[in-house]
Amino acid sequence: QQQVKQSPQSLIVQKGGIPIINCAYENTAFDYFPWYQQFPGKGPALLIAIRPDVSEKKEGRFTISFNKSAKQFSLHIMDSQPGDSATYFCAASIEDSGYALNFGKGTSLLVTP
Amino acid sequence: DSGVTQTPKHLITATGQRVTLRCSPRSGDLSVYWYQQSLDQGLQFLIQYYNGEERAKGNILERFSAQQFPDLHSELNLSSLELGDSALYFCASSPEGGASTDTQYFGPGTRLTVL
Repeated sequence: QQQVKQSPQSLIVQKGGIPIINCAYENTAFDYFPWYQQFPGKGPALLIAIRPDVSEKKEGRFTISFNKSAKQFSLHIMDSQPGDSATYFCAASIEDSGYALNFGKGTSLLVTP
Repeated sequence: DSGVTQTPKHLITATGQRVTLRCSPRSGDLSVYWYQQSLDQGLQFLIQYYNGEERAKGNILERFSAQQFPDLHSELNLSSLELGDSALYFCASSPEGGASTDTQYFGPGTRLTVL
């Protein structure tokens, strides 16, 4: 059973656009929500993360918005670049499971020139 | 480069066989996680070890087992392999594995193909 649901499955935007990837979860015990970026042939790498006591976190061009009551969070990429083309995974974790990551199914992002 | 190494990079074997995947965590990291990535299931957590002890278990089949050695490297053993076990297997390490703020650093993965 997928504990974190992610959409869309794929996304194409033009350079400079703002792709938005959405995730939803059910387990209210989750207390850590990271986003990972994966390029072909590589392992996932942490992009940005948020805890549920914060509604927004920004790091460079990447912003996480968090809505605790709706149990949803999203990733926004400002001024997207062709180099941002990758697969993005949202995840959620909880102390009970040693903070093992429950991943969404991923969004394949293509940023065209 | 995350500092996590995994060997081998590719593995091709036959159904019914047994294989061992190896992971060396980043220097100083005590916690090792194993994940399986497949097209239909996505990235799924298998098992976590912390300083030699099993800490958490996910969707790991009984045919699979893992251990973490005193030098903190870890091995994932897959036995009685089936076609459906073909996937990318990632190892990740983190400093403690007990704090939500511990970043997990992923290795480059081992691609297993079962024929």
